[in-house]
Amino acid sequence: ETGVTQTPRHLVMGMTNKKSLKCEQHLGHNAMYWYKQSAKKPLELMFVYSLEERVENNSVPSRFSPECPNSSHLFLHLHTLQPEDSALYLCASSSQRGDTQYFGPGTRLTVL
Amino acid sequence: GDSVTQMEGPVTLSEEAFLTINCTYTATGYPSLFWYVQYPGEGLQLLLKATKADDKGSNKGFEATYRKETTSFHLEKGSVQVSDSAVYFCALRNYGQNFVFGPGTRLSVLP
Repeated sequence: ETGVTQTPRHLVMGMTNKKSLKCEQHLGHNAMYWYKQSAKKPLELMFVYSLEERVENNSVPSRFSPECPNSSHLFLHLHTLQPEDSALYLCASSSQRGDTQYFGPGTRLTVL
Repeated sequence: GDSVTQMEGPVTLSEEAFLTINCTYTATGYPSLFWYVQYPGEGLQLLLKATKADDKGSNKGFEATYRKETTSFHLEKGSVQVSDSAVYFCALRNYGQNFVFGPGTRLSVLP
């Protein structure tokens, strides 16, 4: 596979569930990002990882927990979400932090 | 802080019409400027970029010129196709900083 992949593409979960989103990049990049895209709102940067170290957390609620076990993989662990967390979650990567970003197709999350 | 403003649309055009999507920015220093496109059901794809004043980025018939005097980076295409229907995002990035995205402009091209 090439580029940035995300799984699952669609996820429906209840407010008490625990689930994880997965992102994998096949570009040899060292930085990875999580964004939230909600209807009629600008793209929101959630987390930034550089060389597997979290370098930015933009006031994201603790019910979202990122994990970056190596430079190719990024996870977003979800627990006790709210309906307003329903959105498209996009992963991106770049060769270094701040370089041109390449996005995955996103995970469409619906919280019931 | 840095910001990007773009026409929110939606923009509806007939096939083969001329397209302009306006983008202006506010930033310190000399940012790089980008256009990303998001097709239905997909993530954002880099469309073109320009890294310094007067540079012109181009790809797939789309063009944008970095105008520092007017702090603008307007996207243009001479003849749009139905397959160009998507949401277009203008963005900037200062060196070592995160990207700043505009709100996106939805384009619908009718046959």
